[in-house]
Amino acid sequence: DTEVTQTPKHLVMGMTNKKSLKCEQHMGHRAMYWYKQKAKKPPELMFVYSYEKLSINESVPSRFSPECPNSSLLNLHLHALQPEDSALYLCASSQDRGEGNYGYTFGSGTRLTVV
Amino acid sequence: QKEVEQNSGPLSVPEGAIASLNCTYSDRVSQSFFWYRQYSGKSPELIMSIYSNGDKEDGRFTAQLNKASQYVSLLIRDSQPSDSATYLCAVNAGNNRKLIWGLGTSLAVNP
Repeated sequence: DTEVTQTPKHLVMGMTNKKSLKCEQHMGHRAMYWYKQKAKKPPELMFVYSYEKLSINESVPSRFSPECPNSSLLNLHLHALQPEDSALYLCASSQDRGEGNYGYTFGSGTRLTVV
Repeated sequence: QKEVEQNSGPLSVPEGAIASLNCTYSDRVSQSFFWYRQYSGKSPELIMSIYSNGDKEDGRFTAQLNKASQYVSLLIRDSQPSDSATYLCAVNAGNNRKLIWGLGTSLAVNP
């Protein structure tokens, strides 16, 4: 299995809603990532988990809350978002052996619209 | 400020030609270099990784790395209309889990 699966594929939420994005991989990767991508821009790193521990938080607002329940799952909890948070949210995973970066495998993304 | 620069394009080539995409980076300690392809509305897909100076070939794709000059390039031989996409260059930032991304080059292959 060489896929990263993200659900849902599309999400429309109001500014007072609480929702969660889910990501699953079964490639044995021990590093998992959340990225945000706006149109015609490169992906923007939000969070990195390594061996189920949060290792990088790129000063993301607290209305985004990540969670890594186990080595295969990654969630992103959303609360009180703003319209400018509308974007494609990408999950990715990679091997993490300390030496060398092996490149990411991205999921297909969740297209989020905040109304 | 660590930077990765790419020409935004669009780069337009006829079908069957060689497409050449270039990327320069500012951080001399960078060790890992990647090319991702992204179709409109889709997620990025890793197509090439390179870690040592020289060329690395995979099918119609060749990645070239020159650490002394701090550039990495991607050649696509026998370009096909299905190669039309945005190509993103990414470089590791010293922290093995974090990449610095270029803004991407839009490639159009014309039948």
